[in-house]
Amino acid sequence: DAGVIQSPRHEVTEMGQEVTLRCKPISGHNSLFWYRQTMMRGLELLIYFNNNVPIDDSGMPEDRFSAKMPNASFSTLKIQPSEPRDSAVYFCASSRTETQYFGPGTRLLVL
Amino acid sequence: DAKTTQPPSMDCAEGRAANLPCNHSTISGNEYVYWYRQIHSQGPQYIIHGLKNNETNEMASLIITEDRKSSTLILPHATLRDTAVYYCIVNLNFGNEKLTFGTGTRLTIIP
Repeated sequence: DAGVIQSPRHEVTEMGQEVTLRCKPISGHNSLFWYRQTMMRGLELLIYFNNNVPIDDSGMPEDRFSAKMPNASFSTLKIQPSEPRDSAVYFCASSRTETQYFGPGTRLLVL
Repeated sequence: DAKTTQPPSMDCAEGRAANLPCNHSTISGNEYVYWYRQIHSQGPQYIIHGLKNNETNEMASLIITEDRKSSTLILPHATLRDTAVYYCIVNLNFGNEKLTFGTGTRLTIIP
């Protein structure tokens, strides 16, 4: 099993540009989570899906952030327009039972 | 808000048992205690979880006090690869429940 796959692993962009982060969960998992990690705020949940349906998006910082899960094997997190304060490591995790499996993360730097 | 309290940092000699404490005095009867760890630059990794009985797996042991207000994660023979931030999380035992990470304990294994 390849585990949770995230792409890109690193992204450097300029303020105002659109950023799309991608996640492929572990096959057979029916829940998917997007987390963000910064030095100031630690690890925080942005949104999670169950059976491709968004369940809780209360952690999404503002309208510039959007997430989709068009099918069970793919999810995207989009930031438009990006700002320097969005710089962070973004993790995707998936689960089938009580254990969440995290991907390696995407390091985003917005200049 | 995180429902747990952990020391910010600990050291442990290589080969010795590492005992990481966690206080969760407001835990409710149906909430489990989970432990995850995050090795530098990687995504969090599940270690173990329990409700009220002590638990053991290939990675660690979890000791939960009888009143369930605190617990201890034990790494029986710590190696340098166990250097990481360890998070104690209180959560319901459902696969689609979000994890609320606190600040964790930074464990450093000393050669």
